[in-house]
Amino acid sequence: DARVTQTPRHKVTEMGQEVTMRCQPILGHNTVFWYRQTMMQGLELLAYFRNRAPLDDSGMPKDRFSAEMPDATLATLKIQPSEPRDSAVYFCASGFGNFGFGTQHFGDGTRLSIL
Amino acid sequence: SQQGEEDPQALSIQEGENATMNCSYKTSINNLQWYRQNSGRCLVHLILIRSNEREKHSGRLRVTLDTSKKSSSLLITASRAADTASYFCATDSTGANSKLTFGKGITLSVRP
Repeated sequence: DARVTQTPRHKVTEMGQEVTMRCQPILGHNTVFWYRQTMMQGLELLAYFRNRAPLDDSGMPKDRFSAEMPDATLATLKIQPSEPRDSAVYFCASGFGNFGFGTQHFGDGTRLSIL
Repeated sequence: SQQGEEDPQALSIQEGENATMNCSYKTSINNLQWYRQNSGRCLVHLILIRSNEREKHSGRLRVTLDTSKKSSSLLITASRAADTASYFCATDSTGANSKLTFGKGITLSVRP
């Protein structure tokens, strides 16, 4: 079965450091989503792309977070500088569609701890 | 405020019983989806129901949608211990700034 691949699976780093998370969407999917999951806030949409174009990043703190899709097989989410409150599980998901939101396929997530 | 809110927050049942989980939402939707998550692992899509549909089935899952009440329910029949997981509803709201919004989830425990 095709899967969304996220790297790294775990990341522990000190505050102030740059963190880069990577996602390989399922081949042929044209939408990519970045979510953050915490106990307090649940699952929050940070940003999403359709056909590699960023469509909505309103859920992201823009001063420190950035999301890019340099090509159709790679999406990245960067945090610089990182803060302890960024500790969470970050999920990437991909799907296919030209309007609205259909079925999304999730990766296993990156568990991020900022000390 | 949360677009999709699940109810109850937690549910504990005996294996073999049926589990019913509810989701309410606030704005008009294109579709509503249910996902499952085991112990903080990846979310797995279970079923999607469109706004013009009232009921869908998939194996032991039955989903209903009542757009007049802005609510949906997920029924798992003949539950198994392996159904223990968190279940989330997600709504694809209509409008220019639509996005897929997840609820906070229901924790289902199925006792063997």
